[in-house]
Amino acid sequence: SQQGEEDPQALSIQEGENATMNCSYKTSINNLQWYRQNSGRGLVHLILIRSNEREKHSGRLRVTLDTSKKSSSLLITASRAADTASYFCATGANSKLTFGKGITLSVRP
Amino acid sequence: GAVVSQHPSWVICKSGTSVKIECRSLDFQATTMFWYRQFPKQSLMLMATSNEGSKATYEQGVEKDKFLINHASLTLSTLTVTSAHPEDSSFYICSARGLAGPGDTQYFGPGTRLTVL
Repeated sequence: SQQGEEDPQALSIQEGENATMNCSYKTSINNLQWYRQNSGRGLVHLILIRSNEREKHSGRLRVTLDTSKKSSSLLITASRAADTASYFCATGANSKLTFGKGITLSVRP
Repeated sequence: GAVVSQHPSWVICKSGTSVKIECRSLDFQATTMFWYRQFPKQSLMLMATSNEGSKATYEQGVEKDKFLINHASLTLSTLTVTSAHPEDSSFYICSARGLAGPGDTQYFGPGTRLTVL
């Protein structure tokens, strides 16, 4: 069953703007991960944040985790047309990943 | 580093035939590999967890006799869809996790698109 629920389901922004995507989950986790998927392709791992971490950065990506609210956010700064893709959050627990439904991000040039 | 390959990338087969999909970790050893399926515009659903040298653990609702999984080495797992039918048409994605264990990142293959006619 799906655990992560992303919000919004679809996001359209102009190149150069920031994109913020949210993920909520229901049960206890060991970590939360964000992945990107281009149409018809496999998943690319973006970033992992552990349950005892609150914020993590990787290049233009910033991820936050609030375990008290069971939520995470992914911020992509200075977006590019190449960032157009589907983004999934996945919660890690009991050695498994459970994926949300995904967010479709469109970055207009 | 951490590259996972899948073969084939796409396959079209007739109803009733069996199809084998390979998943390889190219530059690391993977004690655990996972198989997912994804329908168009939907999320990934875990089908089974495969540990090297032991039987796969299937998720509820996944027929183990229909989806045969073999994890013969630390770099190779195979998924065989037996007696495929049109409803088995889907995008199948594998992932591999390194020796660091449950906290380690899963690295995903590029996926295999199966179309059953």
